Amino acid sequence: AQSVTQLDSQVPVFEEAPVELRCNYSSSVSVYLFWYVQYPNQGLQLLLKYLSGSTLVESINGFEAEFNKSQTSFHLRKPSVHISDTAEYFCAVSPVTGGGNKLTFGTGTQLKVEL
Amino acid sequence: DAGVIQSPRHEVTEMGQEVTLRCKPISGHNSLFWYRQTMMRGLELLIYFNNNVPIDDSGMPEDRFSAKMPNASFSTLKIQPSEPRDSAVYFCASSYRGRGLAGGPISGYNEQFFGPGTRLTVL
Repeated sequence: AQSVTQLDSQVPVFEEAPVELRCNYSSSVSVYLFWYVQYPNQGLQLLLKYLSGSTLVESINGFEAEFNKSQTSFHLRKPSVHISDTAEYFCAVSPVTGGGNKLTFGTGTQLKVEL
Repeated sequence: DAGVIQSPRHEVTEMGQEVTLRCKPISGHNSLFWYRQTMMRGLELLIYFNNNVPIDDSGMPEDRFSAKMPNASFSTLKIQPSEPRDSAVYFCASSYRGRGLAGGPISGYNEQFFGPGTRLTVL
């Protein structure tokens, strides 16, 4: 079984400031890692994913996340946030083999970008 | 592509009533997932189908919940009778999972695409 912990339920930040959203996971098997974003009244959208290879992955809108196997973490960062980044962010894992691509989600972090 | 379609977007009902949520997956996708999102428990997988067959329903909370997938383009999640604690946003997601030469599923990553959700309120 897998579990995902997002310790910060809310993160307020000023526009153009850097931000880090933390994610730690627990799993007895190898997993893929994901960050999903949910804008108000919308469904979840995949922001970025780690499947294999380079441990640093990037999204098209400036977010990046780094897989750290020893710390079982997959923190999300952005060097300079924009108002439009205000949303809820979910970290998720899925077993590499077996499990049918089931996603296990964290409880989410609400990012609120202020002027 | 229209994406995953869910209906209704909002549902308000009274305790004891039957509720049916509907989902149309992306054309060509063969895996379908139902999730529930609440403040207390976050996002939970309720059940998922592969090629219209329920594979894992261990997340279904109790017998009041049932899900069907009569064909590749339609699925329902039914709650009968509904209770106030069922109030949540219910998401449907779909993905494509290929098959290997021997006919078994190919392992590896298959992106799940989410619908906009159905917000259910049970009074």
